[in-house]
Amino acid sequence: NAGVMQNPRHLVRRRGQEARLRCSPMKGHSHVYWYRQLPEEGLKFMVYLQKENIIDESGMPKERFSAEFPKEGPSILRIQQVVRGDSAAYFCASSRSGLNEKLFFGSGTQLSVL
Amino acid sequence: ELKVEQNPLFLSMQEGKNYTIYCNYSTTSDRLYWYRQDPGKSLESLFVLLSNGAVKQEGRLMASLDTKARLSTLHITAAVHDLSATYFCAVVIQGAQKLVFGQGTRLTINP
Repeated sequence: NAGVMQNPRHLVRRRGQEARLRCSPMKGHSHVYWYRQLPEEGLKFMVYLQKENIIDESGMPKERFSAEFPKEGPSILRIQQVVRGDSAAYFCASSRSGLNEKLFFGSGTQLSVL
Repeated sequence: ELKVEQNPLFLSMQEGKNYTIYCNYSTTSDRLYWYRQDPGKSLESLFVLLSNGAVKQEGRLMASLDTKARLSTLHITAAVHDLSATYFCAVVIQGAQKLVFGQGTRLTINP
């Protein structure tokens, strides 16, 4: 079992460009969570998805950010028209059945906006 | 809104000493997690605490949970350099499917 796979590991974008972050959950896991970590801070919840459904997006900024978890393929966190303040580490986590089971984290994508 | 506070935020200690990291949270929760994060790396799950009075131990680390006091502790016994990392506690909001993380405690263990 390869674990939670995130790519790219590092992503550099200029202001105004789009960033796409990918997350492939562990095999058999249909619950995906995205978190953002700013330097020297804890992780902040962004969105919780199950296959094809957004369950809780209360942590997502209202503009420019979107997430999906299609029936086939990885979960995608999309940030449009990036700004410097979007620079952070973005972590994806997955579980088999929500938070009743252990949550496994990916290695994260470090987004740097120039 | 659930708030999770850890203290201390920074801890520098000598090898062989004991110390405790505290995690306080503001509202009722029935699950608490401890994670370890090495610089530039992802989070490694250490403990899941599910009930009042729960105590779990792994090697030199021991975690406990007091749901009435809304307090968890992570105790380090006879610290070794390999335990240097940032430690996070995270609490599940009751009725919701999200973890709220503390700020993290950066632990440095000096030889």
